[in-house]
Amino acid sequence: AQTVTQSQPEMSVQEAETVTLSCTYDTSESDYYLFWYKQPPSRQMILVIRQEAYKQQNATENRFSVNFQKAAKSFSLKISDSQLGDAAMYFCAFPNSGGSNYKLTFGKGTLLTVNP
Amino acid sequence: GAGVSQSPSNKVTEKGKDVELRCDPISGHTALYWYRQSLGQGLEFLIYFQGNSAPDKSGLPSDRFSAERTGGSVSTLTIQRTQQEDSAVYLCASSLKGAYNEQFFGPGTRLTVL
Repeated sequence: AQTVTQSQPEMSVQEAETVTLSCTYDTSESDYYLFWYKQPPSRQMILVIRQEAYKQQNATENRFSVNFQKAAKSFSLKISDSQLGDAAMYFCAFPNSGGSNYKLTFGKGTLLTVNP
Repeated sequence: GAGVSQSPSNKVTEKGKDVELRCDPISGHTALYWYRQSLGQGLEFLIYFQGNSAPDKSGLPSDRFSAERTGGSVSTLTIQRTQQEDSAVYLCASSLKGAYNEQFFGPGTRLTVL
């Protein structure tokens, strides 16, 4: 079974500072995608960033970037210049292997607080 | 439509009653998913639709849970004889086809069973 582990239940960061959220996963696949989703208090899950495992380059979306370590099966999210609107629950997600790769397995999430 | 919509936003019901939760996916998205999010937990997969067919129902927790999708669009999740442990947020998502495509989520329905 797929496992996705987020070891930090809660994190806090000062506005304008940088924070890194951790995620590790387990898979026997060689080609896959990884996702970070954000869930603000409104409950709406929003895709923050996606990484394709076959790409060497780490994905970047504005202030959000990932540190993807394939051998270590690690997929951390870095938020630079944190803003109050970044406060939310962040989930790392990973598709199941083989024929059920439509199904995402989510970590338990990291609650990020941004302090003014 | 602009995004995935779900109704109702909140539902309070009494133990033993049946409830129906509705999901309107993004137009053109053939894949539709239901997830359950219990308090303080991640998302738990319930069921996957491709068109009107549900090739994967493996996450439905009991036979009290069922779902259907009609016209390749709207989906309804039905919970019969609700129990207190069914209290959770039920999230619907849709995507183009299936595998590896970004899933777009609705705002969820918060179900409270008294």
